[in-house]
Amino acid sequence: KQEVTQIPAALSVPEGENLVLNCSFTDSAIYNLQWFRQDPGKGLTSLLLIQSSQREQTSGRLNASLDKSSGRSTLYIAASQPGDSATYLCAVKDSSASKIIFGSGTRLSIRP
Amino acid sequence: DVKVTQSSRYLVKRTGEKVFLECVQDMDHENMFWYRQDPGLGLRLIYFSYDVKMKEKGDIPEGYSVSREKKERFSLILESASTNQTSMYLCASSTRGQATNEKLFFGSGTQLSVL
Repeated sequence: KQEVTQIPAALSVPEGENLVLNCSFTDSAIYNLQWFRQDPGKGLTSLLLIQSSQREQTSGRLNASLDKSSGRSTLYIAASQPGDSATYLCAVKDSSASKIIFGSGTRLSIRP
Repeated sequence: DVKVTQSSRYLVKRTGEKVFLECVQDMDHENMFWYRQDPGLGLRLIYFSYDVKMKEKGDIPEGYSVSREKKERFSLILESASTNQTSMYLCASSTRGQATNEKLFFGSGTQLSVL
């Protein structure tokens, strides 16, 4: 059964730092992996989607990588800003069960 | 941009009431989903639909039903609301196509409180 884990659950860094958020999954049979941002009390905003055949995707200051063989994805945020403070979730579309499975998220706080 | 609209941001209902949560998407997506999100439990799939009048149970369908009479609209129904259904409800949609390119788009959520 596919499981998706995000460690740490919370992270606090000073403004301007580059940082990496981690996502791991137990079964490499996936169609894609998607990163989302969620602000308190709001819905999820899609940030990046990486297809199973891709290694990375970039959007502005964000770069997401995918290593299927090791069951890992990272979300790199460059030059962090207080506005980046939010919870970041990853989700995999599992090809075995054709389901989308979410991690529990990393709550990121950027200190001014 | 894809827009997924949920009719209410906040709802307060009484135990035993019938509750309707509405979701509309404007991008002609075939797939629509209802999730609930609770602290410590993450996102859990309640129901999903791949087409008009089609529905499939997710992981926690008990106490809920759904309706998809039009492609753009997916309704979640709590037949008799209970306090353990107090939660954030999130609607999402995606296009049916190549599985590797299926991207989820979410609404802004409905925080439901059942008293």
